[in-house]
Amino acid sequence: GAVVSQHPSWVICKSGTSVKIECRSLDFQATTMFWYRQFPKQSLMLMATSNEGSKATYEQGVEKDKFLINHASLTLSTLTVTSAHPEDSSFYICSGSGGSYEQYFGPGTRLTVT
Amino acid sequence: GQQLNQSPQSMFIQEGEDVSMNCTSSSIFNTWLWYKQDPGEGPVLLIALYKAGELTSNGRLTAQFGITRKDSFLNISASIPSDVGIYFCAGPVISGGSNYKLTFGKGTLLTVNP
Repeated sequence: GAVVSQHPSWVICKSGTSVKIECRSLDFQATTMFWYRQFPKQSLMLMATSNEGSKATYEQGVEKDKFLINHASLTLSTLTVTSAHPEDSSFYICSGSGGSYEQYFGPGTRLTVT
Repeated sequence: GQQLNQSPQSMFIQEGEDVSMNCTSSSIFNTWLWYKQDPGEGPVLLIALYKAGELTSNGRLTAQFGITRKDSFLNISASIPSDVGIYFCAGPVISGGSNYKLTFGKGTLLTVNP
């Protein structure tokens, strides 16, 4: 149980375009979803927390107008990277929580901006 | 903020050996989580600990919630090649209202030589 999927698993886009990443909880209701960014050989960096039906709470230094998060249902959250630039290239991982402190992570999305 | 000090940073062991890693904090945690991350994948929850002094096993993995609530240990017995990966400890920190976020250790990179 507690499976989270992400789509796409990898994406290459041109600078200036927008990219949407989907995160789905497949077998539980994720009342809270989290979006992380991970650089090579580093730990996970929390970008934002979203509760279903509410606006996301962004971490300090994360531009909310650039990283748009929508959590419209208990099983789906999306992250849209708007006007992507090469420095946005990274590994993006989502996680879901059903009400406990346990977070279940998706497999990640590798974004490359050329 | 609350930080987790995870050690060792990396380990190189022979197949069949036992492994031990730990996390410490200057602050009290009421939950400890241990995750494993394979290259290019999202972290997978291994063990969750909720009570001081708790000792929990998951196959060859055993984790303990330190009695002071400021540390936790993860042990792997009889290591096998598929144990290779990065192991993270994590603990929840209240971030406002009913929201929380996980703070992560920097990870222990485990290499198992067959």
